[in-house]
Amino acid sequence: DTAVSQTPKYLVTQMGNDKSIKCEQNLGHDTMYWYKQDSKKFLKIMFSYNNKELIINETVPNRFSPKSPDKAHLNLHINSLELGDSAVYFCASSRRSYTQYFGPGTRLTVL
Amino acid sequence: ELKVEQNPLFLSMQEGKNYTIYCNYSTTSDRLYWYRQDPGKSLESLFVLLSNGAVKQEGRLMASLDTKARLSTLHITAAVHDLSATYFCAVDMAAGNKLTFGGGTRVLVKP
Repeated sequence: DTAVSQTPKYLVTQMGNDKSIKCEQNLGHDTMYWYKQDSKKFLKIMFSYNNKELIINETVPNRFSPKSPDKAHLNLHINSLELGDSAVYFCASSRRSYTQYFGPGTRLTVL
Repeated sequence: ELKVEQNPLFLSMQEGKNYTIYCNYSTTSDRLYWYRQDPGKSLESLFVLLSNGAVKQEGRLMASLDTKARLSTLHITAAVHDLSATYFCAVDMAAGNKLTFGGGTRVLVKP
């Protein structure tokens, strides 16, 4: 009964490739998020969706495109991967304005 | 732009002693969160502080909020090895669930 799940857990790929990360939550929350945690453990929000509508869109290269097919799912597609994209990407969910619950993370390594 | 600073960045603790982690933020905030992250793991919610003077306690951890000073503290009482982790504070500036994280405090409790 995982609350927020992400796939894959690890992703190793070559520069220039396109990849996707999937996130699902079974908490009944209406808001979902993507965060990036860099090698120094610094966490920064990338996107947020509320009821499938994009509400937070930080300064992120447009190679990153989130998609929310429904309230329980939020995917992240990354085009033309670069070395600097290597990081851990966390999905999170919440009821609007309440505590965010984080997924297990996807460790992306770009070679 | 909201800035959130934690100090210290690293804290080596002796078991049985008391310690405090500080979280300063630069603008008025509606709420402040504390999260714990074990190595290679997700973020676990510890506390949410909603108003000036709020104090929350769970086991050996106690968090407090002073909105006038724009300061939150996480106090650890009688540290034990199980508390070794990285602790993050995060500030939600306008109840819009856009969390800005501090840089994290890595805690290592030695026997």
